[in-house]
Amino acid sequence: KNEVEQSPQNLTAQEGEFITINCSYSVGISALHWLQQHPGGGIVSLFMLSSGKKKHGRLIATINIQEKHSSLHITASHPRDSAVYICAVSYSGAGSYQLTFGKGTKLSVIP
Amino acid sequence: NAGVTQTPKFQVLKTGQSMTLQCAQDMNHEYMSWYRQDPGMGLRLIHYSVGAGITDQGEVPNGYNVSRSTTEDFPLRLLSAAPSQTSVYFCASSYLGTGYGYTFGSGTRLTVV
Repeated sequence: KNEVEQSPQNLTAQEGEFITINCSYSVGISALHWLQQHPGGGIVSLFMLSSGKKKHGRLIATINIQEKHSSLHITASHPRDSAVYICAVSYSGAGSYQLTFGKGTKLSVIP
Repeated sequence: NAGVTQTPKFQVLKTGQSMTLQCAQDMNHEYMSWYRQDPGMGLRLIHYSVGAGITDQGEVPNGYNVSRSTTEDFPLRLLSAAPSQTSVYFCASSYLGTGYGYTFGSGTRLTVV
């Protein structure tokens, strides 16, 4: 079974800290997605990337296709960043629109 | 506002009851899907559709039925609710092919007692 592994599972940071969440996958993909889910809330798409790096505000997502690894960085973290961050991939080939999800990283940012 | 609309947001069922979770999107997305989210597990695919009249099973389809009579709507039916179906359910949609993001609904929290 194709796996998506995230680390760490839980992360507590002080406000202002630089945060990194990691995602690794096992086989070739067509795209990788980073999603955000606030407590009791819906799921919001943050990034979709297939190569390189994307930036939106204080969030930066990178992907290394050769190493099958992606990172989500949050600069100058804030308590409102507290959420579960989910990595998901769509694999190459037939059914490439399907997503396989990691279990998520729960981030708590303390004031 | 464009997006995916899920109803209801909360539901409590008794074991054996049936119900339908509604999902509608207004973005003309071909692909629609249902997931369940359980503690300690990633989102798992229940059923999906790549267009009106076309549905298929995902990873955990047992106990659920779907149909897709229009591009916009993709309801999920629980035939005879069981406590094991207590979960949070999400509907999502996307264009087919690579290079497209997903739009998720706000979720339905279902409790079966």
